[in-house]
Amino acid sequence: RKEVEQDPGPFNVPEGATVAFNCTYSNSASQSFFWYRQDCRKEPKLLMSVYSSGNEDGRFTAQLNRASQYISLLIRDSKLSDSATYLCVVPSEAGTALIFGKGTTLSVSS
Amino acid sequence: EPEVTQTPSHQVTQMGQEVILRCVPISNHLYFYWYRQILGQKVEFLVSFYNNEISEKSEIFDDQFSVERPDGSNFTLKIRSTKLEDSAMYFCASSLLLGQETQYFGPGTRLLVL
Repeated sequence: RKEVEQDPGPFNVPEGATVAFNCTYSNSASQSFFWYRQDCRKEPKLLMSVYSSGNEDGRFTAQLNRASQYISLLIRDSKLSDSATYLCVVPSEAGTALIFGKGTTLSVSS
Repeated sequence: EPEVTQTPSHQVTQMGQEVILRCVPISNHLYFYWYRQILGQKVEFLVSFYNNEISEKSEIFDDQFSVERPDGSNFTLKIRSTKLEDSAMYFCASSLLLGQETQYFGPGTRLLVL
């Protein structure tokens, strides 16, 4: 299994839709997980950290299933401004590096 | 809000030339990182640095690359003899703690090797 695998997308949804992204990871020892957001030609920016079974922040919910080594990101009530690439990120086995997935592209239209 | 800064924002160089990319991490952070992203590809880890030593490096970070913290604020990435395939966006990041801790990224330097 590759270190981090994500749905490639793109996901094209209308405003107000609910959309979910999936991610699987190979390092079973990982204790923390991250979702970063990356706008075109910009730096990755932290969206959410996940340290236990899940995390919720407004319209965004991250779920973690350690047994299946699976992380998801749910976005409710999508806004035009949510259009971006969402990166699933897991620490390296040595623990100092972040290992990025290829990202899932979301396009929200009016 | 404190942020990581990087200079220059863009750099164009000839193959075989040396380049130095500069970063100023968040001031109270102790751990520093370089990543790169080739156009259209995923973000890739290069190196992590703490206490004036490399903590971890990837296979990409070969002898052509080096890092340095020349003073109390700057963190640099040097590429000794650039290749065409070094063309990418280079991101610096920093974190307060090591381990499975949030890293904050700078805006990147876009390097083009001709």
